[in-house]
Amino acid sequence: NAGVTQTPKFQVLKTGQSMTLQCAQDMNHNSMYWYRQDPGMGLRLIYYSASEGTTDKGEVPNGYNVSRLNKREFSLRLESAAPSQTSVYFCASSGPLLAGGSHSYNEQFFGPGTRLTVL
Amino acid sequence: GQQLNQSPQSMFIQEGEDVSMNCTSSSIFNTWLWYKQDPGEGPVLLIALYKAGELTSNGRLTAQFGITRKDSFLNISASIPSDVGIYFCAGHTQGGKLIFGQGTELSVKP
Repeated sequence: NAGVTQTPKFQVLKTGQSMTLQCAQDMNHNSMYWYRQDPGMGLRLIYYSASEGTTDKGEVPNGYNVSRLNKREFSLRLESAAPSQTSVYFCASSGPLLAGGSHSYNEQFFGPGTRLTVL
Repeated sequence: GQQLNQSPQSMFIQEGEDVSMNCTSSSIFNTWLWYKQDPGEGPVLLIALYKAGELTSNGRLTAQFGITRKDSFLNISASIPSDVGIYFCAGHTQGGKLIFGQGTELSVKP
């Protein structure tokens, strides 16, 4: 099992260009997530998909769109890249709740990241 | 919105030393998680805590979930060079989302 895979690993864009970051998981997980990581700010949720066919905004959705193409794949699109979108982007997926009741949690499994620079 | 404050932001230690980092929140979480990110990789789950006051160990790592459910700490004993990386705390929300702390970057001198 490859787990969560992301392409590309690195990308340089000029301001105004568009691109799509690809993510796929082979763990049959229902939920998938896109985060961005910036120095001193941890990981911030951009969009997530609780199940195939649904997507919801996270903490920082502006300037991004997503598509849950099928259960395996969740893509992130930048329509018009800006320098403020220079960041490392991580995709994650999670399966069913572990433990029980109010103390349950979903373990999220992360991909290796895409390092994006917008000039 | 919910925020987690993690400290310290960075640590430079000698191999063999013990390390301690902590996380506080303005909100209550039912579950706290600690992740480690190796250089150039995505975060990997180290420890999950889901009972207030709980102390959990995973090898040289020990984590505690504060009794108020608003804080947690992570200790690493007898650090080794492969402990290098960024450590994140995360609170797990009812909706299944994670709120991350800012991270603690650990450097270990051999």
